[in-house]
Amino acid sequence: GAGVSQSPRYKVAKRGQDVALRCDPISGHVSLFWYQQALGQGPEFLTYFQNEAQLDKSGLPSDRFFAERPEGSVSTLKIQRTQQEDSAVYLCASSLYAGLINQPQHFGDGTRLSIL
Amino acid sequence: DAKTTQPPSMDCAEGRAANLPCNHSTISGNEYVYWYRQIHSQGPQYIIHGLKNNETNEMASLIITEDRKSSTLILPHATLRDTAVYYCIVRVPYSGGGADGLTFGKGTHLIIQP
Repeated sequence: GAGVSQSPRYKVAKRGQDVALRCDPISGHVSLFWYQQALGQGPEFLTYFQNEAQLDKSGLPSDRFFAERPEGSVSTLKIQRTQQEDSAVYLCASSLYAGLINQPQHFGDGTRLSIL
Repeated sequence: DAKTTQPPSMDCAEGRAANLPCNHSTISGNEYVYWYRQIHSQGPQYIIHGLKNNETNEMASLIITEDRKSSTLILPHATLRDTAVYYCIVRVPYSGGGADGLTFGKGTHLIIQP
């Protein structure tokens, strides 16, 4: 499809396990964003890539969270030693290029992560 | 980014116009108003944006007051599929080098009644 694709759609893990969440942005989109959305809340910014460069990771809640985009397209968000408070929906968004004024962000439908 | 205030919920009858307000009294001169919506179990969807002039596209209209301290998103003929959480976001279009993530509040849960 032409939209942002995220996988898996649902992920259940036991506390302490590592998880990896994948994002396939829209082809040709330079900018890629990760957000975390807790139940009943709006999405919260985690990190931002411009091509393969991670320009902002100020929103990552701890050093257990790690994101990469090695070839400037697909991105992976990894969470190590998961804890129950990591349970949330993780959203990925891409835009053509954030430097172009008013390029909207296109979101995937997210990965719902549940930590038992 | 400027802070926004939206009502937590609103109802609207199907086929009527839905008018969603947003207050942004601390908006600065170079900040735009953006609207996104999020249908249940989906990611947010861009609707419209504006600086100071009223804007219209195939989805909605955006009315910004002359002093830019508030705005209204108008869905002219609401359908059941418009039931969603609507987020009003005020920000500069590009911060230059990072921190380009959107800051969502809690938004307005719009419920379209049949």
